[in-house]
Amino acid sequence: GENVEQHPSTLSVQEGDSAVIKCTYSDSASNYFPWYKQELGKGPQLIIDIRSNVGEKKDQRIAVTLNKTAKHFSLHITETQPEDSAVYFCVPANDYKLSFGAGTTVTVRA
Amino acid sequence: NAGVTQTPKFQVLKTGQSMTLQCAQDMNHNSMYWYRQDPGMGLRLIYYSASEGTTDKGEVPNGYNVSRLNKREFSLRLESAAPSQTSVYFCASKPYDEQFFGPGTRLTVL
Repeated sequence: GENVEQHPSTLSVQEGDSAVIKCTYSDSASNYFPWYKQELGKGPQLIIDIRSNVGEKKDQRIAVTLNKTAKHFSLHITETQPEDSAVYFCVPANDYKLSFGAGTTVTVRA
Repeated sequence: NAGVTQTPKFQVLKTGQSMTLQCAQDMNHNSMYWYRQDPGMGLRLIYYSASEGTTDKGEVPNGYNVSRLNKREFSLRLESAAPSQTSVYFCASKPYDEQFFGPGTRLTVL
């Protein structure tokens, strides 16, 4: 099965600074690379995704970059705000097969 | 639209008891999923249903059964609950790529 590693497991940043989370995966058949955000007591919610034919995608303060050759993709959050505090998961996928990383707990300090 | 709904929100069982977790979606999605989330971990796939009338095992299916009752509903059954099944259970549905999650059911098995 897919082996997914996500780093770091926890990340504390000052409000306004940037945050970067990295994810490596093993299954070369993975062709869809989303990031989900989970707030306390809620289900995960998609925040950004990228397909394997695209290297980078940006949506306002968040961006995802993909290196399919190296089998890794990253989440970048700029100008962090208190509402960015949450757990973030990378979820490499292929059709119906999805594999969640262990998650990164991001804390934004005011 | 209510999105994905799950019942109950909380449940306490004794070892050996049985119960069914209910999930329904009103978005006309073909695929539905059941996950469990344990502390400090990502979500692990229990079962999924790619379309009405089909179900398949995920990463951790032992001790569970599922029923895709119709396009809207996908239930998860624990026939004989064990303490190892104490977890938060999430149901999700998806049309193509993005998964939409329910609010979760927190289950404790004593």
